[in-house]
Amino acid sequence: GAVVSQHPSWVICKSGTSVKIECRSLDFQATTMFWYRQFPKQSLMLMATSNEGSKATYEQGVEKDKFLINHASLTLSTLTVTSAHPEDSSFYICSATRASGRAYNEQFFGPGTRLTVL
Amino acid sequence: SQQGEEDPQALSIQEGENATMNCSYKTSINNLQWYRQNSGRGLVHLILIRSNEREKHSGRLRVTLDTSKKSSSLLITASRAADTASYFCATGNSGYSTLTFGKGTMLLVSP
Repeated sequence: GAVVSQHPSWVICKSGTSVKIECRSLDFQATTMFWYRQFPKQSLMLMATSNEGSKATYEQGVEKDKFLINHASLTLSTLTVTSAHPEDSSFYICSATRASGRAYNEQFFGPGTRLTVL
Repeated sequence: SQQGEEDPQALSIQEGENATMNCSYKTSINNLQWYRQNSGRGLVHLILIRSNEREKHSGRLRVTLDTSKKSSSLLITASRAADTASYFCATGNSGYSTLTFGKGTMLLVSP
């Protein structure tokens, strides 16, 4: 159990377009989902924390108007990169915590989405 | 901001050897976790050690935690080529669900 999927797994888009990435918890309800960004050979940087039915909490330095997050249900969160530019090219990873989790910080990670902006 | 600092940044060993990676952190924690990431893939949770634990084992993995030194180590025994990956430590604070990741160690195990 505790499987998280992401779609698409990779996307190439033109500069100026918007891209939507989906994160789904397949076999559990996720009260909280997290979005991370990872540059090549670097660590994961938390972008935002998303709770179902409420606004996302963004980390310092992350533009909320640039990276729109919607957590409409207990199994789905979406990240939309608006007006994408080449510097937005990165690996985006989501994770989710179980609603009935017993431990703190038990996050389940998706496989990631590789975004390339031309 | 990054809490954990792993060392070494890169480690190259032969199959059968042991691999040791270290992680240091700065603030108090509730738990510390180790993850593995194969190139271009998502993260796989390896092991969680709570702040009141000193050592934990899982298969070929051994994790230690020294809260007085704010450091942890991950030992992989009898390494295999399939262990080649990046390894990250992540710290969690009491009462919060967010994790703070370290910079990672790239492990290369040669056959």
